[in-house]
Amino acid sequence: AQKVTQAQTEISVVEKEDVTLDCVYETRDTTYYLFWYKQPPSGELVFLIRRNSFDEQNEISGRYSWNFQKSTSSFNFTITASQVVDSAVYFCALSEEGRGQGAQKLVFGQGTRLTINP
Amino acid sequence: DAGITQSPRHKVTETGTPVTLRCHQTENHRYMYWYRQDPGHGLRLIHYSYGVKDTDKGEVSDGYSVSRSKTEDFLLTLESATSSQTSVYFCATRRREGNEKLFFGSGTQLSVL
Repeated sequence: AQKVTQAQTEISVVEKEDVTLDCVYETRDTTYYLFWYKQPPSGELVFLIRRNSFDEQNEISGRYSWNFQKSTSSFNFTITASQVVDSAVYFCALSEEGRGQGAQKLVFGQGTRLTINP
Repeated sequence: DAGITQSPRHKVTETGTPVTLRCHQTENHRYMYWYRQDPGHGLRLIHYSYGVKDTDKGEVSDGYSVSRSKTEDFLLTLESATSSQTSVYFCATRRREGNEKLFFGSGTQLSVL
């Protein structure tokens, strides 16, 4: 079965520092997708990125960047020049085939609580 | 947003009582999911649906059942609630086949006393 490990339970940094959230996954599939979601204090889950296993290029979106390394089964997320508004729980997730046509499921990691202090 | 409404948003109930949580979506998404969120466990899949009347179990399905009689509604029932089912429950939908992102509802906070 698929597994996602986010070993960092909590991280606390001072505003403007860079911070990296680690995500390590296990899968036997040759084709799979990885996701990151953000859960701010308000509780909703916000989609950040989706990456397929064939695309190993790093991605940057503003202050956010993602480093996908298939060789180490990792999909790490870096926030550059962190801000207080980045404080949230961040989840990494991996796709898994389900029953029924096209019924992919997501397997989530335990989440990392990130606190940015002013 | 996928127009997902979860009801109720909060519920307190007693051990042994049945509880039904409702997820309603307005976007005609084919796939629907129920997850629970607990500290230290992230989100864990309870049940999911891949069409009307088509459902399957997830990782933590014991003590839960689901029904989907219409595309727009996905019901989660705790047949006899236990304190271990105190959790935040999230409904999610996906539009179509392929590994698209999930859209999530706002969650239901359930407390079983």
